[in-house]
Amino acid sequence: DIVMTQSPDSLAVSLGERATFNCKSSQSVLYSSNNKNYLAWYQQKPGQPPKLLIYWASTRESGVPDRFSGSGSGTDFTLTISSLQAEDVAIYYCQQYYSTPPTFGGGTRVEIK
Amino acid sequence: QVQLVQSGAEVKKPGASVKVSCKASGYTFISYYIHWVRQAPGQGLEWMGIINPSGGSASYAQKFQGRVTMTRDTSTSTVYMDLSRLRSEDTAIYYCARESSGAGHWFDPWGQGTLVTVSS
Repeated sequence: DIVMTQSPDSLAVSLGERATFNCKSSQSVLYSSNNKNYLAWYQQKPGQPPKLLIYWASTRESGVPDRFSGSGSGTDFTLTISSLQAEDVAIYYCQQYYSTPPTFGGGTRVEIK
Repeated sequence: QVQLVQSGAEVKKPGASVKVSCKASGYTFISYYIHWVRQAPGQGLEWMGIINPSGGSASYAQKFQGRVTMTRDTSTSTVYMDLSRLRSEDTAIYYCARESSGAGHWFDPWGQGTLVTVSS
């Protein structure tokens, strides 16, 4: 199974500041035939199910604010919130869908400083 | 809109079974795979398995082999997840989620979740 490791476990950022957190896979999730990274990011707010933010490592889901951006390739990925808003307080999970079973990182909790 | 609505919370005793339903609406039911993912209290997300609503075939995570069964009813656009021989460690929120179409296999949307509590 591909192991997904997220860092840091938690992050406190001031409103309006940038939040950046990472996801590392134990093997590459870049599929050479289509040059796509099989990685998604989800946001989970308290008491809610996860919500898809980004797929193919950097494609924002429809309706997701453009302050959210994903980057990276191969085994190292980053999710950036360019200007943290109060409603962004949540846990963020990465997920690889390169191989079965799909696996998730342990999550990064984002709080307001 | 695309929606997955799950059955309500359950309390079960160790050794019992639980069956959670997930009713789909807003799209062609047989055209998208459905996954089940669980989340223990304060923990991360754990994939349990996948079902193809078209033919009914299912595949399970090794950890749950022999204890989990996923089925579907096309007449009601509902999938079911049956987990047997429950133990306290199975206390979790169980989610169904629709897989995207095409080459990618991300999950969107998710059901609202069903809390299963296993306690004597």
